[in-house]
Amino acid sequence: QKEVEQNSGPLSVPEGAIASLNCTYSDRGSQSFFWYRQYSGKSPELIMSIYSNGDKEDGRFTAQLNKASQYVSLLIRDSQPSDSATYLCAVPWGAGKSTFGDGTTLTVKP
Amino acid sequence: NAGVTQTPKFQVLKTGQSMTLQCAQDMNHNSMYWYRQDPGMGLRLIYYSASEGTTDKGEVPNGYNVSRLNKREFSLRLESAAPSQTSVYFCASKILAGTGFEDTEAFFGQGTRLTVV
Repeated sequence: QKEVEQNSGPLSVPEGAIASLNCTYSDRGSQSFFWYRQYSGKSPELIMSIYSNGDKEDGRFTAQLNKASQYVSLLIRDSQPSDSATYLCAVPWGAGKSTFGDGTTLTVKP
Repeated sequence: NAGVTQTPKFQVLKTGQSMTLQCAQDMNHNSMYWYRQDPGMGLRLIYYSASEGTTDKGEVPNGYNVSRLNKREFSLRLESAAPSQTSVYFCASKILAGTGFEDTEAFFGQGTRLTVV
């Protein structure tokens, strides 16, 4: 069983600010990393995937991966109230199985 | 294109009762998964099926059984429900990438909220 740890939160930021979510993982062999967003009472949906060291940007979202330090982060720029959700970090391993962190709940205040 | 469909959406069971959660996907994915999510926690893998005809235990398989009926359908059975099995259950599917290929996105059903009293 691989371990995935996320900053516990909850995290509250004002509208327009940058929200920073962090995730560390135990398996140095991990190659793929995913961030899912889960609105209250809904199912998780993928927002970002990253496979290589460095930054990957998609609109207001940036994923950062540092394999040497075994962490992956998600930055949300110009945070909006609609970004209020729980963000789950997922690290796949073996036969497509994934270990999920416990999630960080983000609240963006207008 | 419905994606991943779970039934039922809500269920209340009495301790000791049995039930089967149904899951079907129409994306031609080879792998399917059952997770449970307890309040304030991430998803924990119960069982998975890497391909049609195979099933394997995940992190928390005790008290559950599964059947991969065909490529589309993967069911989860609780033989004798216990209050500890009160949770939200998610079915997911994905394309299982081959060795050396990047892993792929998982698509989730809408969840089944199960309460065992």
